[in-house]
Amino acid sequence: DIQMTQSPSSLSASVGDRVTITCRASQSITGYVNWYQQKPGKAPKLLIYGASSLQSGVPSRFSGSGSGTDFTLTISSLQPEDFATYYCQQSYSTFYTFGQGTKLEIK
Amino acid sequence: EVQLVESGGDLVQPGGSLRLSCAASGFTFSSYWMSWVRQAPGKGLEWVANIKQDESEKYYVDSVKGRFTSSRDNAKNSLYLQMNSLRAEDTAVYYCARLIVLPAPGRFDVWGQGTTVTVSS
Repeated sequence: DIQMTQSPSSLSASVGDRVTITCRASQSITGYVNWYQQKPGKAPKLLIYGASSLQSGVPSRFSGSGSGTDFTLTISSLQPEDFATYYCQQSYSTFYTFGQGTKLEIK
Repeated sequence: EVQLVESGGDLVQPGGSLRLSCAASGFTFSSYWMSWVRQAPGKGLEWVANIKQDESEKYYVDSVKGRFTSSRDNAKNSLYLQMNSLRAEDTAVYYCARLIVLPAPGRFDVWGQGTTVTVSS
């Protein structure tokens, strides 16, 4: 199975900060990575697909980059509603896997 | 409005069985792959199963193979997950999700609100 490792596991930041979350795959997955946001008690929401494509309706402060094994999710200027947990997910393999999550908290 | 609504979650004893349902509306259900994703209490997301439009392809995470079976009824716009031989580690919120496979990569673009399965004696 392809393992997805996110870093950091948690992060404290302030409104207006630029934040970057990293996801590393255990083998090359070309650009087959997606990013999701989940708030407590809610279903996940797709933010970025194919490493860098913004899902319809998602604010442009969210962006993704990377290829091969290393990927990043960047939030250019944190807004209050962005404090949540973020997950990467690979679909290179038939058997999908998620990263363990990065909890973004208010400093 | 595109919507997925899960049901069927319950408290069940270890070794027991449960069938989850997911009702789809607002889109052409028969045109999409569908998936199940679960989340244990306080833990991260875990992909469980994918099922093709015509059920000709089904994929499962290793931990549920041979115990869980995904199926669908396109006439009823419904997705199902039959769970047998349940274990404590199957305790989780189960989400159904619409899976977009083309253009690649596969991604879950619509999610239900989840249904809770608790396996305990």
